[in-house]
Amino acid sequence: DAGITQSPRHKVTETGTPVTLRCHQTENHRYMYWYRQDPGHGLRLIHYSYGVKDTDKGEVSDGYSVSRSKTEDFLLTLESATSSQTSVYFCAARGGLENTGELFFGEGSRLTVL
Amino acid sequence: GENVEQHPSTLSVQEGDSAVIKCTYSDSASNYFPWYKQELGKRPQLIIDIRSNVGEKKDQRIAVTLNKTAKHFSLHITETQPEDSAVYFCAASKGNTPLVFGKGTRLSVIA
Repeated sequence: DAGITQSPRHKVTETGTPVTLRCHQTENHRYMYWYRQDPGHGLRLIHYSYGVKDTDKGEVSDGYSVSRSKTEDFLLTLESATSSQTSVYFCAARGGLENTGELFFGEGSRLTVL
Repeated sequence: GENVEQHPSTLSVQEGDSAVIKCTYSDSASNYFPWYKQELGKRPQLIIDIRSNVGEKKDQRIAVTLNKTAKHFSLHITETQPEDSAVYFCAASKGNTPLVFGKGTRLSVIA
C-alpha cells in the first residue's frame, strides 16, 4: 500500500458544514497531492505540496484548502461543503527515498454532501 | 498547462485478443508517461511507465510506446484475460510537476 493512509474512508455530511480529510504517509515522500475522482472526469488535481508548508493550487482548487505542517501529513479542508464536492478523494505521494517518479495512492475517501 | 486526452473511453475485447488505449499530450516538455490500472473500488496502481528518452517499453503482456514528435503514447495489452478488466488511466508530467491524467478507459474483457 506504499504506506499512504487516508481518513475517514467514508463520510456523509450536510451542505455548509466543514470537512477535513487526512492523508498520512510513512515513506518520507517529498511531494503530496489531493485528487478528486468523478465519473467522466478521471482524476483531477485539487492541491499539492512540494514540502512542509509549501503548497500550490491544482486544476480544481476552488472551495478547498490544504495544510502540510509536517512531512507525514497532508490535510484537505472543505470550509463549507457543497453538493458539487460529493466525490471520491485520493491522496497521492511521490519523491521518497527511491524517487522513481512513481505516484503512490491512498485508498480513497468517499465523501457525500447532502 | 498540460492537457492529456485519452481514447477510447470504453473498450470491450474478447478474452485472448489485444487491447490498445491511446493518449495524446499537449506540452512537448513532458518527459514522464505512466499508466495506472484501477480495479473497481480500489486505488489506482502503476502498471508501466516510460520516459521521453525511450520509444518503447515492455513488461510481459503489456507494452507502452511513445511518439514524441506526434505527442502521443499508447498502452498495448496482449492475450487479454478477465482480470485485465479495469479502468486504465494515462498521465503525463515534466520533472516533478504534478501528473495530469487522462479521463480513463474502461476495459472489459469478455470470457
